[in-house]
Amino acid sequence: EAGVAQSPRYKIIEKRQSVAFWCNPISGHATLYWYQQILGQGPKLLIQFQNNGVVDDSQLPKDRFSAERLKGVDSTLKIQPAKLEDSAVYLCASSLRGGAYEQYFGPGTRLTVT
Amino acid sequence: GQQVMQIPQYQHVQEGEDFTTYCNSSTTLSNIQWYKQRPGGHPVFLIQLVKSGEVKKQKRLTFQFGEAKKNSSLHITATQTTDVGTYFCAGVTGANNLFFGTGTRLTVIP
Repeated sequence: EAGVAQSPRYKIIEKRQSVAFWCNPISGHATLYWYQQILGQGPKLLIQFQNNGVVDDSQLPKDRFSAERLKGVDSTLKIQPAKLEDSAVYLCASSLRGGAYEQYFGPGTRLTVT
Repeated sequence: GQQVMQIPQYQHVQEGEDFTTYCNSSTTLSNIQWYKQRPGGHPVFLIQLVKSGEVKKQKRLTFQFGEAKKNSSLHITATQTTDVGTYFCAGVTGANNLFFGTGTRLTVIP
């Protein structure tokens, strides 16, 4: 069974530029999560999708971050414009359904904003 | 807001010593999950606890869920160098939202 795929693995941009990350979850997983993990901290949930609907985006900085999951499969997370404090690893995870099911994480995208 | 705290933040042990990390939630949880993240890697699911007072074992790892379903612990017996990493608990609320703890970074000295 293929795991969660993410791209790119690494990205370096200057502040005020925009960036997009892509995630392909495990086939058949209805729930998809985007997390931000700052060095030395635990993953912080940015947004949770159930199929193509948003379940929780309470911690997503909506003035600069956006995410979509068209057709309930792949998802993209965008930052525009980026700030220095956005430097982090962005993790995508998927699960069969909601919070009571184990999450499978992708390898993450390490973003450096200079 | 919902908070899940873990202690200690860091732990250095000699290989063969035991290790315990504790997880405390500000609110009652419906279940709790534990993940391990190796240096440079991504979190990997270890186990889920659902029932009050539940205890589960995986080889040298013992997981407990508190009676009040607000705290949990992970105990590793006779640590090995392969146990190195950061251990996160993740609490699931009644609204099915999952909050990761602050993590405990374990270093095992050979």
